[in-house]
Order: sequence, then C-alpha cells, then structure tokens
Amino acid sequence: ELKVEQNPLFLSMQEGKNYTIYCNYSTTSDRLYWYRQDPGKSLESLFVLLSNGAVKQEGRLMASLDTKARLSTLHITAAVHDLSATYFCAVAAYGGSQGNLIFGKGTKLSVKP
Amino acid sequence: EAGVTQFPSHSVIEKGQTVTLRCDPISGHDNLYWYRRVMGKEIKFLLHFVKESKQDESGMPNNRFLAERTGGTYSTLKVQPAELEDSGVYFCASSQFPVAGGPGVEQFFGPGTRLTVL
Repeated sequence: ELKVEQNPLFLSMQEGKNYTIYCNYSTTSDRLYWYRQDPGKSLESLFVLLSNGAVKQEGRLMASLDTKARLSTLHITAAVHDLSATYFCAVAAYGGSQGNLIFGKGTKLSVKP
Repeated sequence: EAGVTQFPSHSVIEKGQTVTLRCDPISGHDNLYWYRRVMGKEIKFLLHFVKESKQDESGMPNNRFLAERTGGTYSTLKVQPAELEDSGVYFCASSQFPVAGGPGVEQFFGPGTRLTVL
C-alpha cells in the first residue's frame, strides 16, 4: 500500500528565514505533486514532478524529486507572510497519468513577522 | 475559464438524514475524482469517473455512499443515511484525458463541501 509521509506537520517560521518540508513515499510512483491550500479554499497546484532529479521553482518555493530515495522536498527561501498556508504533497497511486492521488497529512505553515 | 465548483459549501445534517453533494468539473475534463478529508487525517481518495463510467471506486467507505455522473458532466455524491463519522470536507477534482505519450495530467480541485453530521 502506497503511503505518503510529510514532515513537519506544523511549521512556524519568521519572515526572511529558509526552511524545507519533506515528503517521503513508500513505493514507486511516476508523479509527485505539491499543492497549497488556504483556509476554506481549493487546493492550488504548485508543482508536478515527473522524473528523478526534477527541480522546479516558482518565486520563493522550489521543489525537487529523488525517485531513488522516494523523497521530495519543498524548500522555502526568505519566507514572507503570504506563504502562510497548508502545503500537501501527493503521489500518483498507479502508473499512468489518470490515477488517483495519495496525499500526505499536510504541513501547516505559519510565517510570522 | 471557470474552475471546479462544488455545492453546497457547507452542510449540517443530523445522523440518519440524507445529503447530496454536487461537483461541476472544468468543462471538457473527462476525469472526475472525489476525495474526502476527515478532521486531522489525510485527504483520501473515494472514487474516479472517466466520463460517466466508474473507473475506480476502491476508496468508497461503504454502501451508504452513492456517486453518479449522468451524461459525463457533473457528478453527485449521496450519503444515505449519514453517520457521525462521515463528517469532513469532500473535495472534487477533475483532469483532462491524457494525451498518448504525454506527461501526467494535473488534477484541479474544487473548494470542497464541509459536511457536519450531528
């Protein structure tokens, strides 16, 4: 059974600091997603990572994927208050491009001035 | 372009009652998924439609849950009769049918329906 573990589950950081959220998954998968959720809102897609060594960056967020270690990281650079949200990683359950996603529990990020 | 929409945004019902949740996917998206997040737990897959057909319903918790997608457009998820443990946020997501040989497709999520069973 595919399992996805995120850590930390709660993260309180000061503005301007850097931090990394980790996402481990238990079996082989060909797709990994990072989503952001603001309270009461939809899950917003941040990154889709498809291959070993993939690295994607958007603003202060950078995601990477190591399929051999079954590990993805979401690195936050010089955090700002607007980044406060819950971040989820999710892994495709089956091979192919239509399968359902298995989610981690989410990391609730709070960025304080 | 409109995103995935869900109705209602909140529903509070008593144990034993029936509730129907609705999801309107992005126009043209053949894949439609239902997920659920119970308080403090992971978002968990319920089922997957391809057009009007159920592709995978392995995540449906029991036969009190019935999902339909008549005509391959919007979908409904009915809970009858509702139990306390059904409380949570129900998300719908949709995606395009993948192009052969293309990369994995992105799932677009709706805002969710928060169901509270008293």
